[in-house]
Amino acid sequence: DQQVKQNSPSLSVQEGRISILNCDYTNSMFDYFLWYKKYPAEGPTFLISISSIKDKNEDGRFTVFLNKSAKHLSLHIVPSQPGDSAVYFCAASKNNNDMRFGAGTRLTVKP
Amino acid sequence: NAGVTQTPKFRVLKTGQSMTLLCAQDMNHEYMYWYRQDPGMGLRLIHYSVGEGTTAKGEVPDGYNVSRLKKQNFLLGLESAAPSQTSVYFCASSPGGVAKNIQYFGAGTRLSVL
Repeated sequence: DQQVKQNSPSLSVQEGRISILNCDYTNSMFDYFLWYKKYPAEGPTFLISISSIKDKNEDGRFTVFLNKSAKHLSLHIVPSQPGDSAVYFCAASKNNNDMRFGAGTRLTVKP
Repeated sequence: NAGVTQTPKFRVLKTGQSMTLLCAQDMNHEYMYWYRQDPGMGLRLIHYSVGEGTTAKGEVPDGYNVSRLKKQNFLLGLESAAPSQTSVYFCASSPGGVAKNIQYFGAGTRLSVL
């Protein structure tokens, strides 16, 4: 049973525009959420996170929004750059040793 | 700045063969993890360790065993490989404490079982 879902397998945006990646979860016990970025032939790398006590966290061009009532989080990238092209994984944790990942969204940023 | 290193990078096995995947981290992290990634699915936790000498089961532990004899190494064993274990395997480590959730991943091992 997939407790973390990324319903869009792919997303294509123009350079300079906003990229919005979405993630839904089913387990209300999750209390920490993360986004990872993965380039081909590399492991995922941590991008940004948010605790369930917050609804927004910002780091440079990256902002994560959390809507607990809807069990939904999103990652905004503004402005998008070609180097942002990668697979983005959403992850959620209910204790620090039980992290569940979504299937990923492949982002393509076109020059 | 090696971080998390996985060996081998690729392996092809026949059904019933055994093998061990090695994960080594040089960041002095307490926690280590083994995941598998299959097409259309997220990473799924196989086993993890919260410190030297400890191991615990994750979401999909069947068919795998692990050992953490040294803090820096976490071994994943397949005793009798099956085609269903064809996957990409990722090892990760995390420092523990308030940064436990942030995991650092290796580049992966692509395993094919024929």
